[in-house]
Amino acid sequence: SQQGEEDPQALSIQEGENATMNCSYKTSINNLQWYRQNSGRGLVHLILIRSNEREKHSGRLRVTLDTSKKSSSLLITASRAADTASYFCATLGGAQKLVFGQGTRLTINP
Amino acid sequence: GAVVSQHPSRVICKSGTSVKIECRSLDFQATTMFWYRQFPKQSLMLMATSNEGSKATYEQGVEKDKFLINHASLTLSTLTVTSAHPEDSSFYICSARRQGSGSGNTIYFGEGSWLTVV
Repeated sequence: SQQGEEDPQALSIQEGENATMNCSYKTSINNLQWYRQNSGRGLVHLILIRSNEREKHSGRLRVTLDTSKKSSSLLITASRAADTASYFCATLGGAQKLVFGQGTRLTINP
Repeated sequence: GAVVSQHPSRVICKSGTSVKIECRSLDFQATTMFWYRQFPKQSLMLMATSNEGSKATYEQGVEKDKFLINHASLTLSTLTVTSAHPEDSSFYICSARRQGSGSGNTIYFGEGSWLTVV
């Protein structure tokens, strides 16, 4: 089952620009996590934000969470070619299982 | 840090045969593991929750007789795709939940297994 939608589905920007990806979900959550996946590879955990948190930073990453709107955003600042990947949000609810969004394919053009 | 290992990373099998994928937690015990399937350019779909010592819990629409899950020990869960068909070709990823104190449980993902059925 999918939790919700991510937009945009695909994003292409120039190196150095900021990239913003959004995620919406449907049910109540304990936390929301963002992952990166390079083509054909496993997942890399980026950041976790708890349901009682509104914003979190980690290096060039900034995540926001609005539980009233059931949405989250991931901002990558000063993008690099190595940031090219698919990005997924995933929610952890009462059932203690991670459910993933549709993902955003990010392309950073040099 | 914690590591989850999947094996094999790639497997090709003939249509009609069965193939087993292993998911191991290398330095922690995992009472719960999860199996996902991912088709190209799509998201991860949760297939089932694997519980050590008990039956797996399957998501709606997932055939439990086709995707056999066994979690016989605290460090190993296996997914067997039985009577595989070309439409079962996909990327299968497992994850394991490490129970912890303080910040709570943490989930670690394996590197995934590519299955191609010919």
